[in-house]
Amino acid sequence: GAGVSQSPSNKVTEKGKDVELRCDPISGHTALYWYRQSLGQGLEFLIYFQGNSAPDKSGLPSDRFSAERTGGSVSTLTIQRTQQEDSAVYLCASSLTSVTTYEQYFGPGTRLTVT
Amino acid sequence: QQQVKQSPQSLIVQKGGISIINCAYENTAFDYFPWYQQFPGKGPALLIAIRPDVSEKKEGRFTISFNKSAKQFSLHIMDSQPGDSATYFCAASISGAGSYQLTFGKGTKLSVIP
Repeated sequence: GAGVSQSPSNKVTEKGKDVELRCDPISGHTALYWYRQSLGQGLEFLIYFQGNSAPDKSGLPSDRFSAERTGGSVSTLTIQRTQQEDSAVYLCASSLTSVTTYEQYFGPGTRLTVT
Repeated sequence: QQQVKQSPQSLIVQKGGISIINCAYENTAFDYFPWYQQFPGKGPALLIAIRPDVSEKKEGRFTISFNKSAKQFSLHIMDSQPGDSATYFCAASISGAGSYQLTFGKGTKLSVIP
């Protein structure tokens, strides 16, 4: 079946602009995660959704970052007033998150470059 | 505070050899330990995972060894092939804590030379 998809695959933006990154999880997966992968910091957790709710936002680095999920499916990560340190690959993962399994499956990522 | 420490950063192995990557964790609440494989330009792909109630899990050429008392786990790739050349990440999470967020090691870049 189809895996996790993300769009765009690449995004170049100017410092100070807002960007929106999209994630389409595997059909039927109730849990959705955003991670950020950068050279200096490795893979970092940003936010977790269960259905449309975000019970864990502890990884969001600042209030410029926000995310939402609608219909228990698509999620959008928004970065306002982008800064150069926001340049990274943003990865989305989804999971069934039942009692017996919570394997996370990743999408290909969106490479964000802030100039 | 780095909760999952991974070594080595890079590894070069001859084709047919054994690749060994090690991870150590600090939080004893971790109870799920997956390994991910990532090729350039791709997202991480789940390779194999283990829970702390077993000391070893094998899937094909990939084996996880787990030492609960030492808080360490490792990935062994037997008969390494050039196609295994990728970056490998260990990770850990806590079940029942609501989030299941993964805490990753820094990664190991494996190069398998013919």
